[in-house]
Amino acid sequence: EAGVTQSPTHLIKTRGQQATLRCSPISGHTSVYWYQQALGLGLQFLLWYDEGEERNRGNFPPRFSGRQFPNYSSELNVNALELEDSALYLCASSVTGGARPLHFGNGTRLTVT
Amino acid sequence: AQSVTQLDSQVPVFEEAPVELRCNYSSSVSVYLFWYVQYPNQGLQLLLKYLSGSTLVKGINGFEAEFNKSQTSFHLRKPSVHISDTAEYFCAVSESKAAGNKLTFGGGTRVLVKP
Repeated sequence: EAGVTQSPTHLIKTRGQQATLRCSPISGHTSVYWYQQALGLGLQFLLWYDEGEERNRGNFPPRFSGRQFPNYSSELNVNALELEDSALYLCASSVTGGARPLHFGNGTRLTVT
Repeated sequence: AQSVTQLDSQVPVFEEAPVELRCNYSSSVSVYLFWYVQYPNQGLQLLLKYLSGSTLVKGINGFEAEFNKSQTSFHLRKPSVHISDTAEYFCAVSESKAAGNKLTFGGGTRVLVKP
């Protein structure tokens, strides 16, 4: 079974640009979660998508947005990049319903210069 | 809202010695509990989970954890560590009544296994 895949592995952008990160969930998983892992700040919840809809959002500004496609893959968009957006962005997937563990991808390392 | 506290940010330990990583949580509702491991330059891998039933949970790679409801703790243990256990370990909770599986993570504990 293929795991959660994320692309690109690394992304370098300059301040003010936009970044697009992509995630393909495990086959059969309809929920996708995005987390930010910034140095010194731990793992912070960004967004949850299920069945194509945004279900929950963490405490991040609106320039962090995303979507989920009919095949359940997802993309995270970060507009007007700031230096503090530099982080590892992790995508996770699960089947719908509670009591299901999240399965994580290896992340996209975003560096903003 | 839930919160998770991992009491030790770093734990050095010698190879073949036991290790315990402490995790305490606070929540006004019942929760599910998880431990994940993150190796360098990788994502998170599930070690074990507590959903219900026996409070002693066994996971992969020889790890186990014990859920203590009265102390709101979920400490992770391994009786004998290997060099390959060097990694960062995260404790996490999710609300049992929530519609989804959003996790709230602790700050992580870095384990450094020394020969």
